[in-house]
Amino acid sequence: QKEVEQNSGPLSVPEGAIASLNCTYSDRGSQSFFWYRQYSGKSPELIMFIYSNGDKEDGRFTAQLNKASQYVSLLIRDSQPSDSATYLCRTGNQFYFGTGTSLTVIP
Amino acid sequence: GAVVSQHPSWVICKSGTSVKIECRSLDFQATTMFWYRQFPKQSLMLMATSNEGSKATYEQGVEKDKFLINHASLTLSTLTVTSAHPEDSSFYICSARGPSPGSPQFFGPGTRLTVL
Repeated sequence: QKEVEQNSGPLSVPEGAIASLNCTYSDRGSQSFFWYRQYSGKSPELIMFIYSNGDKEDGRFTAQLNKASQYVSLLIRDSQPSDSATYLCRTGNQFYFGTGTSLTVIP
Repeated sequence: GAVVSQHPSWVICKSGTSVKIECRSLDFQATTMFWYRQFPKQSLMLMATSNEGSKATYEQGVEKDKFLINHASLTLSTLTVTSAHPEDSSFYICSARGPSPGSPQFFGPGTRLTVL
């Protein structure tokens, strides 16, 4: 059973737009949620994490949790071509990753 | 964020030889370390999880006699690919996390292994 589900995309947005990525999780008891960005040929890097007690904003990035519907979103405001990457999520103490969502920001 | 280093960043070896990859957490104590493998255009595949001082827990389908993992200290884990073959050529990535429940994992830069 997959712990998280993401739309593999590709998701394309124009430069300057808001990119919205969703991650649906299966474990209702999950308390922590993590977003990673992986550029082609590179390893993943942690960009945001939140706990079940609230959303979080960091610069152009916002992570939002919807417990009722069991998904966590990552919003990227003022998208830049450098944001083009694959975005991975995981939850809690599960360390498996899906294929992630491929984002392309078009100049 | 915390820093995880990995060495070497790339290695080319002949079929049948063994290759050791080191993973270090530079500024935090990593009670748990993970080894992943990623083939081109595919997702990260978890190979094994190790806790400091304990034997690694391997994922189903990963041969523990072929992929030897040692997590001897709170800052160092090694992965040895024994008797490597061309099908072992891949991108190997380690990650580490601290002791607090729910703490994030940080990834090393990866090691690209090519077996000729």
